Amino acid sequence: DGGITQSPKYLFRKEGQNVTLSCEQNLNHDAMYWYRQDPGQGLRLIYYSQIVNDFQKGDIAEGYSVSREKKESFPLTVTSAQKNPTAFYLCASSIFRGFSYEQYFGPGTRLTVT
Amino acid sequence: AQSVTQLDSHVSVSEGTPVLLRCNYSSSYSPSLFWYVQHPNKGLQLLLKYTSAATLVKGINGFEAEFKKSETSFHLTKPSAHMSDAAEYFCVVSEENNNDMRFGAGTRLTVKP
Repeated sequence: DGGITQSPKYLFRKEGQNVTLSCEQNLNHDAMYWYRQDPGQGLRLIYYSQIVNDFQKGDIAEGYSVSREKKESFPLTVTSAQKNPTAFYLCASSIFRGFSYEQYFGPGTRLTVT
Repeated sequence: AQSVTQLDSHVSVSEGTPVLLRCNYSSSYSPSLFWYVQHPNKGLQLLLKYTSAATLVKGINGFEAEFKKSETSFHLTKPSAHMSDAAEYFCVVSEENNNDMRFGAGTRLTVKP
């Protein structure tokens, strides 16, 4: 089965702890993305990576970090500097098809920080 | 920069009646437009997309959308709602050949029996 996997589905952490969310894809897509979803706000881009060993900040990168050491993997670390980390996090990858890029999404990780 | 506005945060229909989810876009260049669906606690699934070919686009599960440049709209429709259509729907815009996608705030569709 080709697709994007995110683990774990639910994650609980205490305030002040860093936490890393996993994202793996076997679609052979070059580009990968992390989004944050809050109720009523749609998706906001945290970081994206067009190729291995390269990544750029999105609209809300503060308090987050990423790495892209392998094409298949794009882990996101939520640091203690992120002021409001409780949210639903979605990972995506994209391919150029039919005159545009299409993004494909993983099932998401719901992070709760107390 | 491109952006989308979804005109309704919540739409409620009865099973078997038509669905209309409204989306207006803003783009400086030729836009690509998408509709995605998200069921509770799941990822997003691509329903359909427009990329400067036919203005009426057919997608999965009986959904279709019409690109109207004069109205800067890309509304999503379905002739007859099914209970399984209940979900959140996102309208998305990117500019041609651009990987930067901008999401609307979403429209929650409720289907009553």
